[in-house]
Amino acid sequence: QKEVEQDPGPLSVPEGAIVSLNCTYSNSAFQYFMWYRQYSRKGPELLMYTYSSGNKEDGRFTAQVDKSSKYISLFIRDSQPSDSATYLCAKGGGGGADGLTFGKGTHLIIQP
Amino acid sequence: GAGVSQSPSNKVTEKGKDVELRCDPISGHTALYWYRQSLGQGLEFLIYFQGNSAPDKSGLPSDRFSAERTGGSVSTLTIQRTQQEDSAVYLCASTYSGQGLGYTFGSGTRLTVV
Repeated sequence: QKEVEQDPGPLSVPEGAIVSLNCTYSNSAFQYFMWYRQYSRKGPELLMYTYSSGNKEDGRFTAQVDKSSKYISLFIRDSQPSDSATYLCAKGGGGGADGLTFGKGTHLIIQP
Repeated sequence: GAGVSQSPSNKVTEKGKDVELRCDPISGHTALYWYRQSLGQGLEFLIYFQGNSAPDKSGLPSDRFSAERTGGSVSTLTIQRTQQEDSAVYLCASTYSGQGLGYTFGSGTRLTVV
């Protein structure tokens, strides 16, 4: 079992819809979780990170962590065509040589 | 520089040839990471440098892979005797510390072995 599981999609939704992206993880030895966005032929860029359970909001984006069920979510409100990208969740361990453990990414398509 | 720079952006090589991939991190970033992104496989952690030192090389897929970093800055990932399964996008990221937060990724080198 991969440490971070993520449905690859594609997930296609109409513009303006609320998008829900999800990951599950298997190893409780973590410190923080992150969401990265990756446009085609570009490197991933950090969207949000969180250390604890609960919600963290940043503009149209909300990251949610449920440690009891080992579930990570990213919600996008008022989705825009420019949100079309691959979204990667990542789990951080001790840092340094541990690096980050990434999910495979979910390909999101926002239809105008 | 303003961001992490990787070169070349694309590389097509014949099976069996050696290739060198270069990463120029953000100035002042002490930590540097190499990842490999294969189609449908997500990002695979390869190696991490703190300064010029790589404490753990166990993430490298085989002994055909090696990496070095000089002057606490530029890093080179070398793949010897390339195989078709080495075809992937090789991504480099840098950050101020080894804590894993604040990674800045380059745009990657797309390697195709034919």
